[in-house]
Amino acid sequence: AQKVTQAQTEISVVEKEDVTLDCVYETRDTTYYLFWYKQPPSGELVFLIRRNSFDEQNEISGRYSWNFQKSTSSFNFTITASQVVDSAVYFCALSEWAEYGNKLVFGAGTILRVKS
Amino acid sequence: DARVTQTPRHKVTEMGQEVTMRCQPILGHNTVFWYRQTMMQGLELLAYFRNRAPLDDSGMPKDRFSAEMPDATLATLKIQPSEPRDSAVYFCASGLGQHGNTIYFGEGSWLTVV
Repeated sequence: AQKVTQAQTEISVVEKEDVTLDCVYETRDTTYYLFWYKQPPSGELVFLIRRNSFDEQNEISGRYSWNFQKSTSSFNFTITASQVVDSAVYFCALSEWAEYGNKLVFGAGTILRVKS
Repeated sequence: DARVTQTPRHKVTEMGQEVTMRCQPILGHNTVFWYRQTMMQGLELLAYFRNRAPLDDSGMPKDRFSAEMPDATLATLKIQPSEPRDSAVYFCASGLGQHGNTIYFGEGSWLTVV
């Protein structure tokens, strides 16, 4: 069975600190996709990034960066120079393929609190 | 700006009442998902549809929950009768249905059953 583990339940940092959110996954598929979503206090789930299993190149988008390592089955997310607006719950997810379509399996989420 | 639209955003109802949540997927998306979020269970997949056909509803309590897609622009999730343990946030999401396509979520329907 496919599984996503976010071992950090909650992280608190002070503004401008860098923070890394860990994500470890399990799958027997050779082709799979990984995602990160953000859930701010307002409650919606916001898509941040998608990565396929064949592309291990790290990605940077502004203050956000992602490190994908197949060897350790990890897809970690780093926020550089954190801001109060980054406070949210962050979910890592794995796309599970069934013959009739794909669906997302989510980790339990990591609560990030950024204090000013 | 294309987005998944859900109604109602908030609902408080009494135990035993029927609750219907509605979702308009992003135009052109052929796959629709219903997820439930609770503190204890996190995000659980309840059901999903492809081209309006229900493909997997194994995550849904069958005795009281039902999900339908009357047409390509409307998905519904109904609870009858509702119970306090159904209190949760219900998310609808849509995507293009191919492996790895991004799934986009609505803002959620916050349900409280008292």
